[in-house]
Amino acid sequence: DIQMTQSPSSLSASVGDRVTITCRASQGISRWLAWFQQKPEKAPKCLIYDASSLHSGVPSRFSGSGSGTDFTLTISSLQPEDFATYYCLHYNGYPYTFGPGTKVDIK
Amino acid sequence: EVQLVESGGGLVQPGGSLRLSCAASGFTFSDYYMDWVRQAPGKGLEWLGRIRKKANSYTTEYAASVKGRFTISRDDSKNSLSLQMNSLKTEDTAMYYCARGHWGLDSWGQGTLVTVSS
Repeated sequence: DIQMTQSPSSLSASVGDRVTITCRASQGISRWLAWFQQKPEKAPKCLIYDASSLHSGVPSRFSGSGSGTDFTLTISSLQPEDFATYYCLHYNGYPYTFGPGTKVDIK
Repeated sequence: EVQLVESGGGLVQPGGSLRLSCAASGFTFSDYYMDWVRQAPGKGLEWLGRIRKKANSYTTEYAASVKGRFTISRDDSKNSLSLQMNSLKTEDTAMYYCARGHWGLDSWGQGTLVTVSS
């Protein structure tokens, strides 16, 4: 099975900061990677699919990049509503696996 | 607007069974693969399994942790997805989400809570 890791596990940032979260796959997954945002007591929300495609309605301050084993989610200017936990997911074959998550909180 | 609404969660004893449902609306349900994902309290997300559409013979995939105990099915005439859970363990306690299997998992329900405890 493909294992997904994320770094950092948590970070503190201020409104307006540029934030970068990294996801790494244990083997190459091409560009079959999605990013999700989850707020407390809410369902996850898809932000990015196919490594860099923005899901409908997601603000353009979110962007994704990478291919193979290394991927990045970038928030160009952190907004108050962006404080949440972020997960990556690979969908390059079964079973799908999520990363352990990165919690972004207020500095 | 895509809408997914889970139901059927509750308290069940270890070794028991429970059937979850997911009602879909706002899209042509029969055209899409559908998935189940869960999240134990305070933990991360775990993909559980997928059912493909009719054109792919409704075939299924499962995570190792639930294979042989959980069964995913669908009723396209009712726009409904199900998760039959047998031989439940305390570690199956979680919020269970259904999700549309498109572009990764592009739409999610709000979840239904399953608690396995004596």
